[in-house]
Amino acid sequence: GQQVQQSPTSLVLQEGENAELQCNFSTSLNSMQWFYQRPGGSLISVFYNPSGTKQSGRLTSTTVIKERRSSLHISSSQITDSGTYLCAMEGAMLSGSFNKLTFGAGTRLAVCP
Amino acid sequence: EAAVTQSPRNKVAVTGGKVTLSCNQTNNHNNMYWYRQDTGHGLRLIHYSYGAGSTEKGDIPDGYKASRPSQENFSLILELATPSQTSVYFCASGRDWGSSYEQYFGPGTRLTVL
Repeated sequence: GQQVQQSPTSLVLQEGENAELQCNFSTSLNSMQWFYQRPGGSLISVFYNPSGTKQSGRLTSTTVIKERRSSLHISSSQITDSGTYLCAMEGAMLSGSFNKLTFGAGTRLAVCP
Repeated sequence: EAAVTQSPRNKVAVTGGKVTLSCNQTNNHNNMYWYRQDTGHGLRLIHYSYGAGSTEKGDIPDGYKASRPSQENFSLILELATPSQTSVYFCASGRDWGSSYEQYFGPGTRLTVL
């Protein structure tokens, strides 16, 4: 089955530092999505990014379909960025995983003052 | 903005009892999903639906049933709850506009089976 590997598993930053979170996929994908989750909270969509680069404020997502990877860059981190970031892939059409998401285990980010 | 609600938000059940988790979405999305989230396993897909009257098995369907009586509502049913089903359950809805696809999640239901 398809697998989604996220790295690092956890990350501690000083406020103001940058972070790069990685997601690698074992099979071809049709699209992917990044989510943010606070402890005990729900999943909030950060980026829907099937390919290329998207930016929203201090967050930038880059997906390279051919290389089966996606990254999330956080610049000038803030304490409120703390939480877990999950990536999820939608399998390619005809793969049996189309219109379904497979999640990575997440990267737990802590930003300290 | 997609709106997905779940009820109850917290539930304590006894082993062998029946549990029904409900999900409602108000944005006319065709697709709906039930996941569980456990430490060490991330989110795993239990059941999903492509529209009213349809249910499909996800990756971990054993011990669960699903019901989609309408476009807006999708239920997850545990006929005989077991302690291993203690988890946080998330419902999601998804749109499919040709090649564009996203999922929106509800707030979650924390289920404890004693």
